[in-house]
Amino acid sequence: EPEVTQTPSHQVTQMGQEVILRCVPISNHLYFYWYRQILGQKVEFLVSFYNNEISEKSEIFDDQFSVERPDGSNFTLKIRSTKLEDSAMYFCASRSQGRGSNQPQHFGDGTRLSIL
Amino acid sequence: TQLLEQSPQFLSIQEGENLTVYCNSSSVFSSLQWYRQEPGEGPVLLVTVVTGGEVKKLKRLTFQFGDARKDSSLHITAAQPGDTGLYLCAGWYGGSQGNLIFGKGTKLSVKP
Repeated sequence: EPEVTQTPSHQVTQMGQEVILRCVPISNHLYFYWYRQILGQKVEFLVSFYNNEISEKSEIFDDQFSVERPDGSNFTLKIRSTKLEDSAMYFCASRSQGRGSNQPQHFGDGTRLSIL
Repeated sequence: TQLLEQSPQFLSIQEGENLTVYCNSSSVFSSLQWYRQEPGEGPVLLVTVVTGGEVKKLKRLTFQFGDARKDSSLHITAAQPGDTGLYLCAGWYGGSQGNLIFGKGTKLSVKP
């Protein structure tokens, strides 16, 4: 069964450094998402992406965050100047075309980001 | 602000028992999705419920969407140790492309 893949599985970065998290969505999917989960807390929406542009973003997704689909397969989340509070699991998700409420979002296994 | 409250937060039962977990909100959702998450992994979709009052069955798991589409429940019959995990409900409330609002989850432990 096709799946969403994320790399790296664990990223350790010094505070203030830039980090890029990578995702390969399911190949025929057109809608892409990033979520994060701080340890012990709920999964939170960051941003959705469709047709090469951001569709929606949450309050968490401030100017230090950006997303890009640099080619036909990758979907990346960049954090420009990391802060300690950016430490979390970051999940990528994708879904196929169709009525959004009926189309399930498929999640990758996440990247654990640790900021030192 | 849309919020989903899940209860109970933790549940520890013996193999063979039945259980129900709840997902409640004051907001109406277009659909609700139930996921199961194992430690170190991403959420895995179990089911999507869309219509108010809808009931879906997945082997020993029964999912129900409330008539007003503000709440949902997951009932597990004759729980097995393999059912152990974190069960998350996530609501789709709309928006241009939509995004999911997650509850905090119910951590289920089934002891043999």
